[in-house]
Amino acid sequence: KNQVEQSPQSLIILEGKNCTLQCNYTVSPFSNLRWYKQDTGRGPVSLTIMTFSENTKSNGRYTATLDADTKQSSLHITASQLSDSASYICVVSPLRGKLIFGQGTELSVKP
Amino acid sequence: DTAVSQTPKYLVTQMGNDKSIKCEQNLGHDTMYWYKQDSKKFLKIMFSYNNKELIINETVPNRFSPKSPDKAHLNLHINSLELGDSAVYFCASSQDRLRQGDTEAFFGQGTRLTVV
Repeated sequence: KNQVEQSPQSLIILEGKNCTLQCNYTVSPFSNLRWYKQDTGRGPVSLTIMTFSENTKSNGRYTATLDADTKQSSLHITASQLSDSASYICVVSPLRGKLIFGQGTELSVKP
Repeated sequence: DTAVSQTPKYLVTQMGNDKSIKCEQNLGHDTMYWYKQDSKKFLKIMFSYNNKELIINETVPNRFSPKSPDKAHLNLHINSLELGDSAVYFCASSQDRLRQGDTEAFFGQGTRLTVV
């Protein structure tokens, strides 16, 4: 069964600190993996997208990594800001079929 | 210049009522979707339309009926609302349904439906 699991479920960090969010998936065959940011009361917005052949992708202070062999991805946030407080959702695309969403990690950045 | 817009943003209604949620995209995309996000924050696809044609219809009660008058609009009508229908409903669009796995979906801001 195609699944996407994220950890931790929630995370609280101080402003300026770094953090790493994890995503494990069992989707196969695999096309690409995305990280979305969902602010409270808003729809998800894409941060990064990686195909199976890519190991890392950056978008400003966000850096995603992918290990297609172990089926793991991480999202690293550097020098966190208050505006980074949101839910971060890992989404995996099989070669055919619909997107598979993780349940998200709730990140709270405190001053 | 919102890309994907949904109305209303909030909807509170009583059990048994019929309600509609509207969605419009101005991105020129061919494919539109409805997703349901439950209290556990999982996003689950409900329907997908490509050029007004239904292409994905997940196991959703018959009380939910999508309607696509043109490829820029996908409305969701819900009959006989139940308590369990309370959730946030997201509309999304993407360019190419045939390569959905490689295509980014753009989401609306969501409609929070509360059935009392």
